[in-house]
Amino acid sequence: DSGVTQTPKHLITATGQRVTLRCSPRSGDLSVYWYQQSLDQGLQFLIHYYNGEERAKGNILERFSAQQFPDLHSELNLSSLELGDSALYFCASSAYSGSHEQYFGPGTRLTVT
Amino acid sequence: GQQVMQIPQYQHVQEGEDFTTYCNSSTTLSNIQWYKQRPGGHPVFLIQLVKSGEVKKQKRLTFQFGEAKKNSSLHITATQTTDVGTYFCAGDFGNEKLTFGTGTRLTIIP
Repeated sequence: DSGVTQTPKHLITATGQRVTLRCSPRSGDLSVYWYQQSLDQGLQFLIHYYNGEERAKGNILERFSAQQFPDLHSELNLSSLELGDSALYFCASSAYSGSHEQYFGPGTRLTVT
Repeated sequence: GQQVMQIPQYQHVQEGEDFTTYCNSSTTLSNIQWYKQRPGGHPVFLIQLVKSGEVKKQKRLTFQFGEAKKNSSLHITATQTTDVGTYFCAGDFGNEKLTFGTGTRLTIIP
C-alpha cells in the first residue's frame, strides 16, 4: 500500500459525458502527478501540481483539467469523453517538487462506451 | 522533444536466466528513476540514479547510469517468477516531471 488513494476504482460512462477522478496523496506529500496509461501502453504524463500550484503540463487534452485543493487532494476532470479516453488513470505523489521518487495510487480504470 | 526510448519492449526468459533492459535519451538527464509494475498493479519506485557513471545494486538487480547521463540499464541476475512485470525507466530533465520510457515487459518461463 503506497498510501495514495484514488476513487473511484472503476468508472464506466458514455461518450460525451464528464467524469471526475479523485486522488489523495500520501500524508505530508505536497506534489501530485496525474498519468494516463492506455492498454499495454506506457505512462503518459498529464499534469503536476505542487502545494496547489500547477508546475508542469504534459500532453493533456483541452477537454481535461485538474486542480489541487488546500487539503492537497487533487481532482482530474475529463469532459466530452471519447472512446479513446478509455484508460487507466494513475495519480502519484511525492514529498516535494522536482526530482523525488513518486508513490503511485492504485489507479482508476475508465471505460467509455 | 524530450523522449526516453526503452528496449526491448518484451522479454521472455527461462527462470534462472539473466535479463537486461536499456533506456536512452537524446539529451542529458538530471537523473533517472526505475519503476516496476506488476500485472494489474501500479508502478512501484525501485531506485533513482543521479551521478554520472553511477552503479547501484539491490540484491539481484543492478542499475547503471551512463557517463554522459543519457542512458541507463537495469540488469537482473538469475530471474525468478517474482520478477515478472513491466520495468519502466523515467527520465528527469529538470522540468518538474518524469518522462517514462515505453517499458519492458518481462515474462518468466518456469
